[in-house]
Amino acid sequence: QVQLVESGGGVVQPGRSLRLSCAASGFTFSFFGMHWVRQAPGKGLEWVAIISYDGSIKYHADSVKGRFTISRDNSKKTMYLQMNSLRAEDTAVYYCAKGLGYCTSNRCPSPWDYYYYMEVWGEGTTVTVSS
Amino acid sequence: DIQLTQSPSFLSASVGDRVTITCRASQDIGNYLAWYQQKPGKAPNFLIYAASTLHSGVPSRFSGSGSGTEFTLTISSLQPEDFATYYCQQLKSYPMCSFGQGTKLEIK
Repeated sequence: QVQLVESGGGVVQPGRSLRLSCAASGFTFSFFGMHWVRQAPGKGLEWVAIISYDGSIKYHADSVKGRFTISRDNSKKTMYLQMNSLRAEDTAVYYCAKGLGYCTSNRCPSPWDYYYYMEVWGEGTTVTVSS
Repeated sequence: DIQLTQSPSFLSASVGDRVTITCRASQDIGNYLAWYQQKPGKAPNFLIYAASTLHSGVPSRFSGSGSGTEFTLTISSLQPEDFATYYCQQLKSYPMCSFGQGTKLEIK
């Protein structure tokens, strides 16, 4: 079955870096766009970033732009979130999610919005930024 | 920025009740809206997309409607497993997207 497993979370001091990973299985990873979404303790969901099926297109939320970078390695069926210059307000559970829309080779037949609907989610990894 | 406001923020209901959650957008977002369910300590589950299309495997007691600035998620007959927090998501602010603040559905 489709599965996403996040890893790499932990406790880190402000200003330091951390890299999260999202390992995918049960589907053709290279066909689908992927997202990172976070949830601060007791708060709602916040979209963080999206990466296209081939890694050529990336967008980040304004709150993390210039500090976080999304990437992927399709040969390893893994997505990453490199987080630099971490702040206390980055403390959250970080989820990876698979988009509903798909692409094959260089053809993307799904309506554009389908890439933003998050069909499957991992269980999350916790990042705590504290001195 | 497009703001999504869900109402109510908290809702108390009983098994078998029909409940409706509203999501209002600060500007016209067409039908670019999804709904998710999240239980405590768990990842969100995908319920509805394009405002009214039920995702595969989601029980038919869930339904979505609306367009423009006002949307609703309706559960026709609450089941014990439906008590959770529900979030709407808008895509009109492409290439970004955002979520509503959530509606917590509790057992009365």
